[in-house]
Amino acid sequence: SQQGEEDPQALSIQEGENATMNCSYKTSINNLQWYRQNSGRGLVHLILIRSNEREKHSGRLRVTLDTSKKSSSLLITASRAADTASYFCATADSGGSNYKLTFGKGTLLTVNP
Amino acid sequence: NAGVTQTPKFQVLKTGQSMTLQCAQDMNHEYMSWYRQDPGMGLRLIHYSVGAGITDQGEVPNGYNVSRSTTEDFPLRLLSAAPSQTSVYFCASSPHGGDTQYFGPGTRLTVL
Repeated sequence: SQQGEEDPQALSIQEGENATMNCSYKTSINNLQWYRQNSGRGLVHLILIRSNEREKHSGRLRVTLDTSKKSSSLLITASRAADTASYFCATADSGGSNYKLTFGKGTLLTVNP
Repeated sequence: NAGVTQTPKFQVLKTGQSMTLQCAQDMNHEYMSWYRQDPGMGLRLIHYSVGAGITDQGEVPNGYNVSRSTTEDFPLRLLSAAPSQTSVYFCASSPHGGDTQYFGPGTRLTVL
C-alpha cells in the first residue's frame, strides 16, 4: 500500500521559476526522503529529513516536514531544464517496519527552457 | 566504486520461463531490496534483506524468490514468468534499513 502521496501528479514551469511539490503520508515516521528519477534511469537520493527536523536545505532544494499534518514539501528554487524529472517521496515508518521505505507515485516536473 | 549494478538491462521472456535478475553492490551495505515500478504505481517493494542469510517479503512478493548468500549479491528469481510481471525492476542498497538508498540502473523486463 502507498504511504506517501505526492501532489501535484504533474507540474510544468518555466526555467528560473520555483517548483513546489507536496507529499502526504498516513502513519508515524522515522524519516522522510525525496528522490529524483530522470526518464529511463534509476532513482537518485536528494535529501533526508528526520521526524524531529522541520526544515532542511541542500543547494537549491528546501524540504519542510510537518509531522502534525503528516506532510512534507520539496521546493526547487531557480529551476533549470535539467531539473526535468519525476520526484518521489519515501517514508521510513517509526514502528517495527522502520527498515523499509514506502514510496509515493511521484510528481512529474517539466521545466521548459 | 561501481555502486549498485544490475544485469541484464533488458530482457524478454515467454510466459512460463524462469530467470534470475542479478544485483550486486560494492559499498558493504547490509540492507538490500528489490522494487518494481509500473506506470502510475510508483515503486513497490518485492523483497528485502537486512543482511547475509536474512530475507523477508515486501508488498508484492508473489512469483518472486530471493536469497542473500553474501553481503554483495542479492539476486531476484522469477519462478514462472507471467505477463503481469512485465515491469522495470530496481535493486537498491543502504547502510541500514530506512536510510538513504542507492539504486541500480534498473532492468526492463517484458513477458510475452
